[in-house]
Amino acid sequence: AQSVTQLDSQVPVFEEAPVELRCNYSSSVSVYLFWYVQYPNQGLQLLLKYLSGSTLVKGINGFEAEFNKSQTSFHLRKPSVHISDTAEYFCAVSEGSWGAQKLVFGQGTRLTINP
Amino acid sequence: EAQVTQNPRYLITVTGKKLTVTCSQNMNHEYMSWYRQDPGLGLRQIYYSMNVEVTDKGDVPEGYKVSRKEKRNFPLILESPSPNQTSLYFCASSLSGLAGAIDTQYFGPGTRLTVL
Repeated sequence: AQSVTQLDSQVPVFEEAPVELRCNYSSSVSVYLFWYVQYPNQGLQLLLKYLSGSTLVKGINGFEAEFNKSQTSFHLRKPSVHISDTAEYFCAVSEGSWGAQKLVFGQGTRLTINP
Repeated sequence: EAQVTQNPRYLITVTGKKLTVTCSQNMNHEYMSWYRQDPGLGLRQIYYSMNVEVTDKGDVPEGYKVSRKEKRNFPLILESPSPNQTSLYFCASSLSGLAGAIDTQYFGPGTRLTVL
């Protein structure tokens, strides 16, 4: 079964600094990867997803992620964060290419932006 | 507006008192799913439904029931809630439930449940 590990439970950064949120997954034949964001008191919103093709994926709000098959990683990056990026971020992997879709989530990383 | 709605948003109840959390989507999605979110554990799938009258267990189904009588609704039922079911619950839907389709899942705003 797939598993996802988010290496940092909390990441504090200053406004306008770059940030990287780390995500590693267990290997599988078919791997589809996602990053979701959860703003305070809201549901999850898709930031970006990797299905195939270019390993650098661009998402909303200036975020991007790089799929690295050899390191089984899918780290999320933003070159300059804003106070409004304060949220919890979840990495997820979709398991298998047949049968029912199944999203397996990491534990989440809480990103706090300090002025 | 395309959305997934859940009710209630907050609920405090006592052990053993049956409750239902409703979930509704207006996007004509076939696939719907329930997750619970607990600190340090991320989201874990409780039940999912591929279409009307088709439901199956997720990773943590014990103590929960679901039904899918209509395409738009997917209620979560706790017949006899216990304190270990205190959690934040999310409903989600996507166009297709097929793994190969990789359709984006849309999440509701969440229901915070406390069982005393």
